[in-house]
Amino acid sequence: QVHLVQSGAEVKKPGASVKVSCQASGYTFTGYYIYWLRQAPGQRPEWVGRINPDSGKTHYAQKFQGSATMTRDTSITTAYLDLSRLKSDDTAVYFCARGRGVRTSATSVYYYDSWGQGTLVTVSS
Amino acid sequence: DIQMTQSPSTLSASVGDRVTITCRASQTISSWLAWYQQKPGKAPKLLIYKASNLESGVPSRFGGSGSGTEFTLTISSLQPDDLATYYCQQYKSEPYTFGQGTKLEIK
Repeated sequence: QVHLVQSGAEVKKPGASVKVSCQASGYTFTGYYIYWLRQAPGQRPEWVGRINPDSGKTHYAQKFQGSATMTRDTSITTAYLDLSRLKSDDTAVYFCARGRGVRTSATSVYYYDSWGQGTLVTVSS
Repeated sequence: DIQMTQSPSTLSASVGDRVTITCRASQTISSWLAWYQQKPGKAPKLLIYKASNLESGVPSRFGGSGSGTEFTLTISSLQPDDLATYYCQQYKSEPYTFGQGTKLEIK
């Protein structure tokens, strides 16, 4: 059974950094992309980026380039999202999700078949 | 980015009703569409992938249809446990994007 377990809630001041973890179990960690999304209060989920746990290669949504860093530690099947220079509008629940891939004629596409429970990051002075 | 628009934003229905939610994409996404259910304080849960494929373990009262730019999620007989917000999401091209959600209320 696939499980993604995230670290606990964080409260940070503007300008600080935070690191959120996502520990995977129940499947081959290096076989599936891990996606990071965030959801501000009352809003739809928003794509932050993805990491290939096998190669470590990452891809970020344009608005998070420079402020978000995704890494992984395959020895403990854990992915991380590092957020720097936090602002009040970074207050949100951050989710990790496993990407299930489907090959198309041109590329591969992914949907999210399992999610972590979410980590609330509050940025407040 | 591909824009996803759902309707209605809020829906109130009675137990046993047939419920339909619509999702429109700003450009064609073939069948690369998923539906998720999110209960308050919880993570989204995958219901449907590739527009009409039911995820394992999801009750058969949930169904999806459509292709191109117009899609629907149907609940054939609404149950009290279906109280949630429902999101469509395209995964044709990154960044994958979600609709604004449909909040389903039980009368």
